Amino acid sequence: SQKIEQNSEALNIQEGKTATLTCNYTNYSPAYLQWYRQDPGRGPVFLLLIRENEKEKRKERLKVTFDTTLKQSLFHITASQPADSATYLCALMNYGGSQGNLIFGKGTKLSVKP
Amino acid sequence: DGGITQSPKYLFRKEGQNVTLSCEQNLNHDAMYWYRQDPGQGLRLIYYSQIVNDFQKGDIAEGYSVSREKKESFPLTVTSAQKNPTAFYLCASTPRGDRGSGANVLTFGAGSRLTVL
Repeated sequence: SQKIEQNSEALNIQEGKTATLTCNYTNYSPAYLQWYRQDPGRGPVFLLLIRENEKEKRKERLKVTFDTTLKQSLFHITASQPADSATYLCALMNYGGSQGNLIFGKGTKLSVKP
Repeated sequence: DGGITQSPKYLFRKEGQNVTLSCEQNLNHDAMYWYRQDPGQGLRLIYYSQIVNDFQKGDIAEGYSVSREKKESFPLTVTSAQKNPTAFYLCASTPRGDRGSGANVLTFGAGSRLTVL
């Protein structure tokens, strides 16, 4: 069966450390994968997109990797800050799928402690 | 500022009532979407529309209805046929609706929380 899994429901780290969030998928052939941030009671906000032929993308303190052999994307936040505390969602688009077929993971709730 | 406006932010419904959630965008986006979010679950697609006067069912369309009479507006009606409507509802849009021809990034509204009394 097809699955997209974000391995940790919650991740607690100390301020200044690097947070690493995982998104694994099964039985999909993603054209690309997206990461969103969601604050409590708010809609998700787009952060980064990585295509299947790209290994890594960066934006300021954020880095996303995509390994189609491992069927995994990693999302890193370096020098984490308490303001980075939020839920992070991954979403993938299958090859040949319409935008209506964007598949979301359940999210990982990140807490950064001072 | 361009964006998506959802209203109301909070809504309470008695069993057996239909309620309509509003979604308006001023981004000039072609495609609009409704998602449902429940605790511990990923976003699930209810309906989407790639163009005015056309819409498609998503994964959980039963008990919901939509219309797309204007490009800017995509209201969602939660009908009495929806047995478990208590949830957080998110409206989103993308610049275009297409089939795998490019990467579309979703812009979301702030959400509407519906509670059934």
